[in-house]
Amino acid sequence: NAGVTQTPKFQVLKTGQSMTLQCAQDMNHNSMYWYRQDPGMGLRLIYYSASEGTTDKGEVPNGYNVSRLNKREFSLRLESAAPSQTSVYFCASSASLLGRDGQTQYFGPGTRLLVL
Amino acid sequence: GQQVMQIPQYQHVQEGEDFTTYCNSSTTLSNIQWYKQRPGGHPVFLIQLVKSGEVKKQKRLTFQFGEAKKNSSLHITATQTTDVGTYFCAGVPSGTYKYIFGTGTRLKVLA
Repeated sequence: NAGVTQTPKFQVLKTGQSMTLQCAQDMNHNSMYWYRQDPGMGLRLIYYSASEGTTDKGEVPNGYNVSRLNKREFSLRLESAAPSQTSVYFCASSASLLGRDGQTQYFGPGTRLLVL
Repeated sequence: GQQVMQIPQYQHVQEGEDFTTYCNSSTTLSNIQWYKQRPGGHPVFLIQLVKSGEVKKQKRLTFQFGEAKKNSSLHITATQTTDVGTYFCAGVPSGTYKYIFGTGTRLKVLA
């Protein structure tokens, strides 16, 4: 089992460019999440998907869109990248929605994004 | 908005000394989790606390959840160099399904 995988590992974009961050999990989890991590800010939830076919906004959704392609895959899209979106992006998954019964989150290795 | 604050932000200790990080929420939490992130790595789940006043131990690590379910602490006894990393708490405000992460405490252990 690979757990949670993310591609790419690193990416440099110019302001205004678009890109999609990919995430996949092989643990048959229902719920998936996208976070961003900035220095001194901890992790902030961007979007989450409670189950296949549903997505909801988190704490900082502006400038992002997501797609829950199937049960395994959850992608994050930046339509027009801005320097403020320079960050490390983590995808995570859990068996069911967090908070309902305190499921453990499993995190991917992260994507380091630099927007110039 | 809902916030989870963690103190201290940084802590340098000599190997063998104890270490404690504190997590405080502005609202009541239904549960709280603790994660460890090694430098350059991703967060790894350590433990979850659900009940008011709960105390759990993992070897040298002791986790507590406050009676009011608004604060928590992680205590490491006799730190080792392998304890280096950033420790995050993540709490779920009651009535929501979203984890709010604390800002983290970066621990450095000097040999």
